This record gives sequence, C-alpha cells and structure tokens, in this order.
Amino acid sequence: GIQVEQSPPDLILQEGANSTLRCNFSDSVNNLQWFHQNPWGQLINLFYIPSGTKQNGRLSATTVATERYSLLYISSSQTTDSGVYFCAVDPTGGFKTIFGAGTRLFVKA
Amino acid sequence: DARVTQTPRHKVTEMGQEVTMRCQPILGHNTVFWYRQTMMQGLELLAYFRNRAPLDDSGMPKDRFSAEMPDATLATLKIQPSEPRDSAVYFCASGSRPSGVSSYEQYFGPGTRLTVT
Repeated sequence: GIQVEQSPPDLILQEGANSTLRCNFSDSVNNLQWFHQNPWGQLINLFYIPSGTKQNGRLSATTVATERYSLLYISSSQTTDSGVYFCAVDPTGGFKTIFGAGTRLFVKA
Repeated sequence: DARVTQTPRHKVTEMGQEVTMRCQPILGHNTVFWYRQTMMQGLELLAYFRNRAPLDDSGMPKDRFSAEMPDATLATLKIQPSEPRDSAVYFCASGSRPSGVSSYEQYFGPGTRLTVT
C-alpha cells in the first residue's frame, strides 16, 4: 500500500520563526489534507490540497502531485501553533485515507 | 457553527463490557469515517459510510467491532466485548466533496477517549 512519510518528526522553534514541514507519498493520490492536532487532541482541518498552493493567514501549503510531495509552511510561528501536524492522503483508485506519523511542533515563547 | 459531535467524550469500562460510541455528522455531509488513534499505531481508518451504506470496514476487527448508520444524523461504533487493547481515542469525521473532485474533505469530531481496564 501507499507509504506516507513526514519530516521532521520533531521540531522546536522560537516564537516568530518560520518552518517548513514535508509530506512524501509513494504513489499517486486523489486527495491530500493537512491537519493540526492541538494539545487538547482536537484535529483541525488546515488545507484540502490535492495539488497547487493555498494560503490561510500565516499558513500556506503546496502540493506537487507529480513529484509526490506536499509542504506546509508556517510563518511567524506562535505558541498556539504547537501540536502535531498530520498529512493524510487518499490513494488514487482507492478510498482508504492514510495518515502520516506526524510532525510534532513545539513553539517556545 | 457546523461541527461533528461525538458522545461520550470519555469512557472508562471494564473488560468484557459493551461500549457504544456515537457521532453526529455535519448536516449535509453524506460520508462518515471512523478512526482510532493510539500512540503505537497512530491514526487508523476503521470504517466509512456513504449515504448511510458501509463502503469499507476492512480496518475493523470484525469479531468484536460493528459500525452502523441508522439515519443520516447518527453513526455508531460498538465494541462487544471490549478488551484492554481497545483503549484508544476514537474519532469520527464527516466528509464533503468539493466541486469537481472525487475525494472528500474530512472534518473531525472531538473524539471519544476509551479506557478499558
């Protein structure tokens, strides 16, 4: 089955710093989503981005489907950005969402 | 403010007992997903429904787990009998399909934290 790899696994930032999180997938996909799981466990939908670039405030995401990767950019990080960021894909020809292992982010004040 | 709701939020039960978790999807969403999250396995898809019909439940242990959607506003996940290894957070998500695409954008509920002793 499709493999989804996220990097880095852990990231510590000083408040105000920028960062890039990466998601690689091993096969073609119909869909890719980015989620943020906050420290209270809630999974928040950040982007639905099977291809192209989207921006929402300080966050933006780019998916290059032909090269099988997606990037999540966080600019001017804040302590409230802490948590785990997951990428999830739906493989082409199937409909079984596969989550990556996540990137755990801690933003220091 | 449309959101997925789940009940109960926390459940502690003894091994062998039946557990029922409930989910109310966002109004108008026709697809419902059940996930389980553990430290060891991460987030795993257990089952999903479209228009109340089960499309895939291959991720679910069939002997003890069952998922149903008795109507468009309620999905249930049952474990009978429960075992300590079922301890996890169970998430429900409902899906909407953006125009022109075949896949679904998923929105998650707050989860049910299950502890089986």
